Amino acid sequence: GAVVSQHPSRVICKSGTSVKIECRSLDFQATTMFWYRQFPKKSLMLMATSNEGSKATYEQGVEKDKFLINHASLTLSTLTVTSAHPEDSSFYICSARKDRVDYEQYFGPGTRLTVT
Amino acid sequence: GQNIDQPTEMTATEGAIVQINCTYQTSGFNGLFWYQQHAGEAPTFLSYNVLDGLEEKGRFSSFLSRSKGYSYLLLKELQMKDSASYLCAVTDSNYQLIWGAGTKLIIKP
Repeated sequence: GAVVSQHPSRVICKSGTSVKIECRSLDFQATTMFWYRQFPKKSLMLMATSNEGSKATYEQGVEKDKFLINHASLTLSTLTVTSAHPEDSSFYICSARKDRVDYEQYFGPGTRLTVT
Repeated sequence: GQNIDQPTEMTATEGAIVQINCTYQTSGFNGLFWYQQHAGEAPTFLSYNVLDGLEEKGRFSSFLSRSKGYSYLLLKELQMKDSASYLCAVTDSNYQLIWGAGTKLIIKP
C-alpha cells in the first residue's frame, strides 16, 4: 500500500499565530511531497513541491516566508502557516510520490484550517 | 499555457450511465489521471491512462486519445455514493500534475 497521513485533521487558530501541519508517508519513502490548497468548490491549487533534503519549490504567488515547508526526511514534510490570517482559512492537502517517475501521487486526508 | 477543461457540473440518474469529458493542452504528456473527491475529503485515485484506449475497472472506465488531447471517465450503474467531484489531471513533461477544476456530479434518485 501507499498510505499518507496528515495531522491535525482540523485546526482552529487565532489571527497572528502560527500553525504547523504534518504530512507523513507511512509505508513508503517519499522522494517528493506536494502541498495543495483548496478553496470551497474549487480545484486543487499546488502551493509547493518539496524534495527531501532540499528547499521547496514554490508556485508563483505563494509566499515562501508565510508558508514554510520543511522536508526533513523521506517520510515527513511539514507546512507551517506563519502569522495566520482569516484569509488563510482553507483545506490543505499533501501528497507524496515515491520517485520522480512514479506516475501516482498518494494523498493525505487533508487538514481543515480555520483562522479566527 | 497549460490548460485542462472539464464541465463544471453534471446531473445523472441513479442506475444510469454518465460520461465526464476532459480536454487538455499541456507542455508534454506523461499520463492522465482521474480522481474522485467527496466534499471535505482528499482526492482518491480512480484511473491512470498513458496509452490510447479504454481502461476498465469495475463500474468505472477511462478513455484516452493523445492525438486529440481528450479523455473521458465513464461511470456505469450509478449509485448515490458516486455523487462527488471528479478531477482530471495531466502529468506534464516535468512530471508535474496539472489539475482541471473538477466536475461536480449530482446523482438523483
